[in-house]
Amino acid sequence: EVQLVQSGAEVKKPGESLKISCKGSGYSFTSYWIGWVRQMPGKGLEWMGIIYPGDSDTRYSPPFQGQVTISADKSISTAYLQWSSLKASDTALYFCVRRGDGYNDFFDSWGQGTLVTVSS
Amino acid sequence: QSVLTQPPSVSGAPGQRVTISCTGSSSNIGAGYDVHWYQQLSGTAPKLLIYGNSNRPSGVPDRFSGSKSGTSASLAITGLQAEDEADYYCQSYDSSLSGYVFGTGTKVTVL
Repeated sequence: EVQLVQSGAEVKKPGESLKISCKGSGYSFTSYWIGWVRQMPGKGLEWMGIIYPGDSDTRYSPPFQGQVTISADKSISTAYLQWSSLKASDTALYFCVRRGDGYNDFFDSWGQGTLVTVSS
Repeated sequence: QSVLTQPPSVSGAPGQRVTISCTGSSSNIGAGYDVHWYQQLSGTAPKLLIYGNSNRPSGVPDRFSGSKSGTSASLAITGLQAEDEADYYCQSYDSSLSGYVFGTGTKVTVL
């Protein structure tokens, strides 16, 4: 069974750094793109970016380029989303997702979500 | 950021049929990219509902169906049930943005 398990909720202050994780299991982690999706409180889904753990090829949605860093450690089947300086507007629920293989450009598996709260 | 437009809400009585539209443009749906649909029940992660415009993953009831035409797509729910009350999102790829895009989301209410 394919599973994406994310790290737990975080409460941070503005200006602090943060790295959240997403561990994949039940499939070949290096063979599928892993993406991140943001959901701000009471709002819709926004695609942030995606990484191919096999070679670390990474793409970002324009609004998130330079704002976050996506990485992966294939030795432990884990993808990461990190911020160097959080803002209150980063408060949101973050999901990691697995993209289908080949031309299947949909997200067939979702993590449970990590709630990030940024408040002074 | 959403370039795919959905109605904010739709509602129907149990047993009725409801449809949700997803309107895009020539750089996404109109360019031939597939449309996919997700269901997000309250307090849970979204779940893939329809992929490749009209295909259902294993376990999704055949009450859910999808279609695509031109620069738009639709999700239909027939025989509406109480457990269908959720938020629904369409998703595609956009060549201008070189990335994936979600619809604005539609809340389905079962009356």
